[in-house]
Amino acid sequence: DTAVSQTPKYLVTQMGNDKSIKCEQNLGHDTMYWYKQDSKKFLKIMFSYNNKELIINETVPNRFSPKSPDKAHLNLHINSLELGDSAVYFCASSWRGVWQFFGPGTRLTVL
Amino acid sequence: QQQVKQSPQSLIVQKGGISIINCAYENTAFDYFPWYQQFPGKGPALLIAIRPDVSEKKEGRFTISFNKSAKQFSLHIMDSQPGDSATYFCAAQSSGTYKYIFGTGTRLKVLA
Repeated sequence: DTAVSQTPKYLVTQMGNDKSIKCEQNLGHDTMYWYKQDSKKFLKIMFSYNNKELIINETVPNRFSPKSPDKAHLNLHINSLELGDSAVYFCASSWRGVWQFFGPGTRLTVL
Repeated sequence: QQQVKQSPQSLIVQKGGISIINCAYENTAFDYFPWYQQFPGKGPALLIAIRPDVSEKKEGRFTISFNKSAKQFSLHIMDSQPGDSATYFCAAQSSGTYKYIFGTGTRLKVLA
């Protein structure tokens, strides 16, 4: 009965590959987010969707493309992976932006 | 003006002691201030949050103190336990926006 779930938990891939991370929330929230946490633990917001509409799009390389098929799902596709993309990616959800619940994270390692 | 400055970067406290983490902000439009706790390998989890209409909020051993005029808020962990060892993040948000501005995190270690 996980509130916010992500798959996969670990992702190891070669430079130049394309990969996707999936997120699902069962809280009935209307807003979902992608965050990147680097090795220094900084949490940086990347994107947010409210009712399937993109509302936050931070300065992120256009190799990163989010997609929200419905309010409960938010996916992140990354093209042409680079070494600097190695990080932990967190999905989160909230109701109208307040009280964000985070998923368990996906640790991406680019070799 | 969108930053939230968090200090210290790391903190070591003896078991039973008080852990204090401070955050400061500039944007007076911020009106929601949550604290998150993150254990290694896990996602951040909401610990406690405050709005600026109160100066203090307490939940168990965790207390937020809020100083609106100084634009500062802090997390106090009373009777700190080894199980409290984690990274703590403060954050700030303006009503009507969907974006949290996170502090840089404080790595707390409580010695047994």
